[in-house]
Amino acid sequence: AQSVAQPEDQVNVAEGNPLTVKCTYSVSGNPYLFWYVQYPNRGLQFLLKYITGDNLVKGSYGFEAEFNKSQTSFHLKKPSALVSDSALYLCAVSLNTGTASKLTFGTGTRLQVTL
Amino acid sequence: GAVVSQHPSRVICKSGTSVKIECRSLDFQATTMFWYRQFPKQSLMLMATSNEGSKATYEQGVEKDKFLINHASLTLSTLTVTSAHPEDSSFYICSATRTGYGTEAFFGQGTRLTVV
Repeated sequence: AQSVAQPEDQVNVAEGNPLTVKCTYSVSGNPYLFWYVQYPNRGLQFLLKYITGDNLVKGSYGFEAEFNKSQTSFHLKKPSALVSDSALYLCAVSLNTGTASKLTFGTGTRLQVTL
Repeated sequence: GAVVSQHPSRVICKSGTSVKIECRSLDFQATTMFWYRQFPKQSLMLMATSNEGSKATYEQGVEKDKFLINHASLTLSTLTVTSAHPEDSSFYICSATRTGYGTEAFFGQGTRLTVV
C-alpha cells in the first residue's frame, strides 16, 4: 500500500517570502514522487518529479523539492512567492517499478499568497 | 508533446440520463489511462485503471455498472456515467501514461459534471 500525507490544509505566505508545502509519503519500495498544481476548475499541471539521482529537484515556475529518504519527505519550496502561485498543490507517490502504476495523491494544500 | 485532451470540459445533464466523457492522448500512445474524481476542495480519488483492450480495474467502492470505462484504442478511453444522479456531480480527470516513460502521468484538463 502507498500513501501520501500533506499535513497542512492551507499555507498563507506574503508575496516575496519563501514558501514551503509539506509532503510525507509511505511506500513499500522505491518511490516516484510528484508535485502538481491545480487552479480552480482546471486539470493538473506538472511541477516536478523525483525518480532517482539528486535529492534536490528543480521544477517549473521556480519551484523545487527535496527528497529525504530518512524522513520519507518531499517538501515543495520556492524562495520567493508570487500572488499568482495561489492554488491547490498536490503531492503524489507511485511505486517505482519501471512500468505504469497508479498515483496516490495527498489531500492537497491550498497556498494563499497575499500582497 | 504528451498532450491529453478531455472532452467535454463542462456538461450538465438531467437525472437518469447517461453522460460520456472522452480522454484522448493526442500525440502519443497511452499504455494505461486512469480516471479520477475530485470533490470540491478535496484531492483526487482514483476510480479506475484501464489498459487498452482489457477490462478496467476499479478501486474499492467504485460501482462498475455506474461508471463504465472503455479503452478501445491506445489513444482513447471513455468514462460513461450511467443513470446519473445529483450526487454524481463532480470534477472528473483522466490521466495517461506513455509507453517507455514508466509511471509519469499526463493529465487532461478535467470535466465538470453537473446533474440536475
